[in-house]
Amino acid sequence: EPEVTQTPSHQVTQMGQEVILRCVPISNHLYFYWYRQILGQKVEFLVSFYNNEISEKSEIFDDQFSVERPDGSNFTLKIRSTKLEDSAMYFCASSDGTVNEQYFGPGTRLTVT
Amino acid sequence: AQSVAQPEDQVNVAEGNPLTVKCTYSVSGNPYLFWYVQYPNRGLQFLLKYITGDNLVKGSYGFEAEFNKSQTTFHLKKPSALVSDSALYFCAVRASAGYSSASKIIFGSGTRLSIRP
Repeated sequence: EPEVTQTPSHQVTQMGQEVILRCVPISNHLYFYWYRQILGQKVEFLVSFYNNEISEKSEIFDDQFSVERPDGSNFTLKIRSTKLEDSAMYFCASSDGTVNEQYFGPGTRLTVT
Repeated sequence: AQSVAQPEDQVNVAEGNPLTVKCTYSVSGNPYLFWYVQYPNRGLQFLLKYITGDNLVKGSYGFEAEFNKSQTTFHLKKPSALVSDSALYFCAVRASAGYSSASKIIFGSGTRLSIRP
């Protein structure tokens, strides 16, 4: 069964450093998303992406964040200058339709020290 | 604005008994509702969805959910709980943003389901 994959599974970085989180969505999906979950809290939407552009972004997704689909398979989330409060589990998701379910990857645990 | 509420932080059920995890929703327009499950240190797994049609929706692992428009509820149910069902369950609603765009999902706060042997 096809699945969303994410790398790395765990990333530790120092405050102020740049990180890139990588995702490979399911191959025939056209809609891509990033969410995050701070430990013990609810899952929060960050950004959605379709047709090579951002469809929607949340208040969390400020100028320090960017997304890119550099080739036909990868979907990346970049945080330019990490803050302590960026520590969270980041989930990538994809779907093949706007009303269809989103399939989530296993997540990348980002720890900012 | 679209939202979902899960009124119970924790539900405890004995194995073999029926279980219900509650969810209420608030939407403008047609509701697109989902249930996801999260096992420890894992991602979110899709269980089932309601888009349109029958109010009783069947999903993975023997779970089902009942859509009730008048009460704006979408409770998750299972007739006979297993210890392996113990996990964190999230109710979610698609936030309407136009049919052609990539629409976000809004999650509830989650309910921890604990099944005792």
